Amino acid sequence: EPEVTQTPSHQVTQMGQEVILRCVPISNHLYFYWYRQILGQKVEFLVSFYNNEISEKSEIFDDQFSVERPDGSNFTLKIRSTKLEDSAMYFCASSRANSNQPQHFGDGTRLSIL
Amino acid sequence: KQEVTQIPAALSVPEGENLVLNCSFTDSAIYNLQWFRQDPGKGLTSLLLIQSSQREQTSGRLNASLDKSSGRSTLYIAASQPGDSATYLCAVPHRSNTGKLIFGQGTTLQVKP
Repeated sequence: EPEVTQTPSHQVTQMGQEVILRCVPISNHLYFYWYRQILGQKVEFLVSFYNNEISEKSEIFDDQFSVERPDGSNFTLKIRSTKLEDSAMYFCASSRANSNQPQHFGDGTRLSIL
Repeated sequence: KQEVTQIPAALSVPEGENLVLNCSFTDSAIYNLQWFRQDPGKGLTSLLLIQSSQREQTSGRLNASLDKSSGRSTLYIAASQPGDSATYLCAVPHRSNTGKLIFGQGTTLQVKP
């Protein structure tokens, strides 16, 4: 069964450095998402992406964050200047439609900011 | 503002028991509700998506029900097994219809052999 894949599984970065988290969504899906989960907290929405543009972003997704679909298969999340509070598990998800189809999640990237 | 709550936060049962996990939401204008399973350190596995027009959805030993008017969904697990031990999350789409999901905090289930 097709699945969403994320790399790396764990990223350790110094505060202030840039990080890029990578995702390969399911190939026939058109909607892409990033979520994050701080340890012990709820899964939180960051951004949704469709037709090469952001559909919606949360308050968390400030100008330090950006997303890109550089080619037909990858979907990336960039954090320009990381902060300690960016430490979390970041999940990529994709779906065929935005409201009546399930979202499928990757295994996540654990981001640790030192 | 949509709020999703799951009770209980944790549950421990002996193997073989039937059990019910609860999910409640404050805004009943939802398109659907999705149940996920999360194993420790892993991603979310989609279990069931129940549309707003449906009252129930079944997959194997899992049965999800939805009562929009009361803002509730339940996930029923029949004949629980140790392999069912995980955190179960429910999520509903935001009114914005951009696919944004709002999650509950999850119920952590332990099934003891």
